[in-house]
Amino acid sequence: DIQMTQSPSSLSASVGDRVTIACRASQGISKSLAWYQQKPGKVPNLLLYAASTLQSGVPSRFSGSGSGTDFTLTISGLQPEDVATYYCQRYDSAPLTFGGGTKVEIK
Amino acid sequence: QLQLQESGPGLVKPSETLSLACTVSGASISSQTSYWGWIRQPPGKGLEWIGTFYYTGTTNYNPSLKSRVTISADTSKNQFFLNLNSVTAADTAIYYCGRSPSTWYYTSWGQGTLVTVSS
Repeated sequence: DIQMTQSPSSLSASVGDRVTIACRASQGISKSLAWYQQKPGKVPNLLLYAASTLQSGVPSRFSGSGSGTDFTLTISGLQPEDVATYYCQRYDSAPLTFGGGTKVEIK
Repeated sequence: QLQLQESGPGLVKPSETLSLACTVSGASISSQTSYWGWIRQPPGKGLEWIGTFYYTGTTNYNPSLKSRVTISADTSKNQFFLNLNSVTAADTAIYYCGRSPSTWYYTSWGQGTLVTVSS
């Protein structure tokens, strides 16, 4: 199975900072990658799909890039409400797999 | 507006079968443009895909669970189901049902239900 590795596993940044989270696939997955945000005690929420397409209703400070094996989620101007764990997920083929998550906190 | 709601026992004994239902409102599980799936999350840990159901009866399962899992549906009730047999404490998790388009990322999620495996 294709494994997804996220880095870092956690980070702390100040309000307004630019935050970058990486996700690497063990094999190429084209652009079949989604990003989710899960706030504490809440349900995961889809942020982006196709590596860089913003889901409807998601703030434009969230953006994604990459293809093949290396992907990035960027938060341009971290807000207090962005405190959450972020997961990547590949969907090129079954079995679907998620990254281990990146916990984002405010410094 | 699409809504999904999981239901089922919150406590299951080891070696028994975990059975959950997901009731869908606002969309038909017979839709040709939707796939219906189960995902779980052990307390404090990450997300694990369990499997997916399509209205034709086609299923896909996580190989790590394939020998123990069955996903089925009742289109008359607009529900789909998860059965996981021979459970152990490692199966303790929040279980989510979700909807994905033909490309399998999840656009809608249920609220999740915590299932604890314990005697």
